[in-house]
Amino acid sequence: GENVEQHPSTLSVQEGDSAVIKCTYSDSASNYFPWYKQELGKGPQLIIDIRSNVGEKKDQRIAVTLNKTAKHFSLHITETQPEDSAVYFCAAGSSASKIIFGSGTRLSIRP
Amino acid sequence: DTEVTQTPKHLVMGMTNKKSLKCEQHMGHRAMYWYKQKAKKPPELMFVYSYEKLSINESVPSRFSPECPNSSLLNLHLHALQPEDSALYLCASSQAGDEQFFGPGTRLTVL
Repeated sequence: GENVEQHPSTLSVQEGDSAVIKCTYSDSASNYFPWYKQELGKGPQLIIDIRSNVGEKKDQRIAVTLNKTAKHFSLHITETQPEDSAVYFCAAGSSASKIIFGSGTRLSIRP
Repeated sequence: DTEVTQTPKHLVMGMTNKKSLKCEQHMGHRAMYWYKQKAKKPPELMFVYSYEKLSINESVPSRFSPECPNSSLLNLHLHALQPEDSALYLCASSQAGDEQFFGPGTRLTVL
């Protein structure tokens, strides 16, 4: 079945710097790649997603890139702010109604 | 209304109790999901309902019983749970089976 690996497990960056989280997936049929942000005590929040017919997508300070050949996708957060501190999950989906999550990255923004 | 709501927020139950978790969405989404999330882990899919019919059961023990009374509501009936079932239970919904929107979760403690 599908397997999604996510790195790093923890990431600490200085406020204002960029943060990059990387994921790889195993199922070549995967065609949908969402990213979720989960703050303490809350449910995961969809922050950006990308589909297999697109190589890059950007929304303000957040961007996601996809390399289908290498089965890699990454989340880039620029100009990080304290409110970006959270756990981030990547995920991959290949069939309707099911996505597989990565193990998560705990991002801390140092003031 | 763009929210998924879940009740209760917290639930403490004994191993002989019967309780139910409730989830509601008014976005007209046709798919609804139950996930279980242990501390510092990603969400794990339990059940998927598509057009009010159970489409995916990820080999969940029968002490968890899902129910979809209508297209807006999803219940999870709990009976004879074990302490290891203590977790955050998340509900999600989606329109086309990909973009999933999560509720805040119910924090369940089994004594």
